[in-house]
Amino acid sequence: GAVVSQHPSWVICKSGTSVKIECRSLDFQATTMFWYRQFPKQSLMLMATSNEGSKATYEQGVEKDKFLINHASLTLSTLTVTSAHPEDSSFYICSARDALAGDYNEQFFGPGTRLTVL
Amino acid sequence: GQNIDQPTEMTATEGAIVQINCTYQTSGFNGLFWYQQHAGEAPTFLSYNVLDGLEEKGRFSSFLSRSKGYSYLLLKELQMKDSASYLCAAPQAGTALIFGKGTTLSVSS
Repeated sequence: GAVVSQHPSWVICKSGTSVKIECRSLDFQATTMFWYRQFPKQSLMLMATSNEGSKATYEQGVEKDKFLINHASLTLSTLTVTSAHPEDSSFYICSARDALAGDYNEQFFGPGTRLTVL
Repeated sequence: GQNIDQPTEMTATEGAIVQINCTYQTSGFNGLFWYQQHAGEAPTFLSYNVLDGLEEKGRFSSFLSRSKGYSYLLLKELQMKDSASYLCAAPQAGTALIFGKGTTLSVSS
C-alpha cells in the first residue's frame, strides 16, 4: 500500500514553455501533498504544500505565479512550471500524507520527475 | 526556525559498520525520519523515531535523544548497494518534512 505515482518521469522542454507534473496517491487519500525540488548533489527543498480544495502554501522564495499548484481531488495534485527556463531544470518530487494517519507524520514519495529545460 | 545538520560524505568498506549522525533544532518536535536516496531516485523510508532510544530494523538501526537534539543511523554489515545518500528529516509545523543536506555514503570492496 501507500503508493504515490508521478507523471511524467522525465520531460525535456524548450525555454518559455509550460510543463505540468502530476502526483497521484494510488491507494490512499491525501488531503495534503508536498512538492520538493532537488538540484544535483543537494538535498530536497520544500517548495510548497498542496491542500485539497484550497490554495497551496508556498515556501519563501518560491514564486507562486511561476509554480502553479492545483489539488483538485484527494488523490491528485499537479504542479505546472510556467514559462520554464534552464535554471528550472531539476528533479521534482512530490509526497503525500495519508489523510487517516492521525499524528503519524510519514510521507510517501513519488518516484520524481526529471525536468530539463533547453 | 529549523536546522538539520549531518556530515556531507562518509566512506566505509563492505561488511563494516557505519554511524551517520544528525543534529537538529526544531520548533516543536514531531519525530525524526531517516530516508535513503539512490541517485536519480526518490527517497525511501528507513525509520521514524519519536521516543528516545534505539530502534533496530534488520541491518539498520536508528537512535534518538530528544534532550540532545541528536539522532544517528547505524548501518551494519555494509553492502555495496548501501552506497547512497542518507537524509535526516524532521516535520516542521504542520506536516511538511524539512531535510538535512544528506550524507553521501560510499561503500567500497
